[in-house]
Amino acid sequence: GQQVMQIPQYQHVQEGEDFTTYCNSSTTLSNIQWYKQRPGGHPVFLIQLVKSGEVKKQKRLTFQFGEAKKNSSLHITATQTTDVGTYFCAGPNYGGSQGNLIFGKGTKLSVKP
Amino acid sequence: EAQVTQNPRYLITVTGKKLTVTCSQNMNHEYMSWYRQDPGLGLRQIYYSMNVEVTDKGDVPEGYKVSRKEKRNFPLILESPSPNQTSLYFCASSLGRGITDTQYFGPGTRLTVL
Repeated sequence: GQQVMQIPQYQHVQEGEDFTTYCNSSTTLSNIQWYKQRPGGHPVFLIQLVKSGEVKKQKRLTFQFGEAKKNSSLHITATQTTDVGTYFCAGPNYGGSQGNLIFGKGTKLSVKP
Repeated sequence: EAQVTQNPRYLITVTGKKLTVTCSQNMNHEYMSWYRQDPGLGLRQIYYSMNVEVTDKGDVPEGYKVSRKEKRNFPLILESPSPNQTSLYFCASSLGRGITDTQYFGPGTRLTVL
């Protein structure tokens, strides 16, 4: 069945370093969403990408959707302790029914002050 | 305040004792969904509902039931809970189809089945 893979599973950085997480789908996606979950919290929507090659920025966060719409990345410039959490990508599950959403397993980011 | 609420937030129960986790949203959203989150497995969709009286299976529906009698409520029912259903459960809602719209998540319900 369709898979959404995220790498790395864990990333430990020093505050001020950059961070990137990658999301790869086994099938072409119509759109991809990114969520952030703080420790002990619930997932919070960050952004949705729809177009091939799309790049969107939110302050220090840069999101990219691949040309083939099978991969995406989230890059954080100059990490801060407030960036700590798990970042998930999610896309439509075409192997499922109409409203089925599939999440990657997430990348857990820790930031050392 | 726009929000998704879940109750209870924490629950410890025993195998076989029926339970219901409630989910309610005040945003007039059409789409609602239930997920479970387990270490190393991420978020997996259990059931979702595109509108009132319309529900469908997600990736891990076995052992769960849902109903959508009103737009705002989407309860998750475990008729005979088993220890492998010990997990963190999230309810979510979105205005349109969940796969193309922002999903708003509830605070989560931590369930332990002994």
